[in-house]
Amino acid sequence: GAVVSQHPSRVICKSGTSVKIECRSLDFQATTMFWYRQFPKQSLMLMATSNEGSKATYEQGVEKDKFLINHASLTLSTLTVTSAHPEDSSFYICSAILRRGYNEQFFGPGTRLTVL
Amino acid sequence: QQQVKQSPQSLIVQKGGIPIINCAYENTAFDYFPWYQQFPGKGPALLIAIRPDVSEKKEGRFTISFNKSAKQFSLHIMDSQPGDSATYFCAASTVGNTPLVFGKGTRLSVIA
Repeated sequence: GAVVSQHPSRVICKSGTSVKIECRSLDFQATTMFWYRQFPKQSLMLMATSNEGSKATYEQGVEKDKFLINHASLTLSTLTVTSAHPEDSSFYICSAILRRGYNEQFFGPGTRLTVL
Repeated sequence: QQQVKQSPQSLIVQKGGIPIINCAYENTAFDYFPWYQQFPGKGPALLIAIRPDVSEKKEGRFTISFNKSAKQFSLHIMDSQPGDSATYFCAASTVGNTPLVFGKGTRLSVIA
């Protein structure tokens, strides 16, 4: 149990295009999901908190118009990188809370974004 | 953002050894302390977690020791194997559906 999937696992796009990354909780419902960004050999950097049915809460310094987050259902959150640039190239990882209030977070396998 | 300080940054042990990774936190409101294991190109996997009402928790070869007064917790890996070579992150959070605050990670290499 507690499986989180992400799609796609890898994506390469041209500068200026938009890319959508999906995060799904496969065997549980997640009212809260989180999106992280990770640079090589570094820790995870929280980008935003995604709550089902409400607007995402973005961390300081994260452009909400560039990184659009939609948590449309209890099992799906999406991150859209709009007008991507090479500096947006990174490893994007989502996590979902298994049980409300217990804060057990399970992570997806990550999405490697490369912007040319 | 409240910090979680993790050490060492990297660690090399021989097979069968017991690597120990330490973390210290500042926010006394933290009440959930998980450890994650991450292999290159993969997402972090939850290994083991502890809450402040216990001083130790063991799951298989992994043990968390927790010192509330010192605001420190550590991960011990018994009988380490080359397959344990990975990056380990400690984290902490407060009550509710709050984000985890991560340490900077420890790259563990277990050599045969």
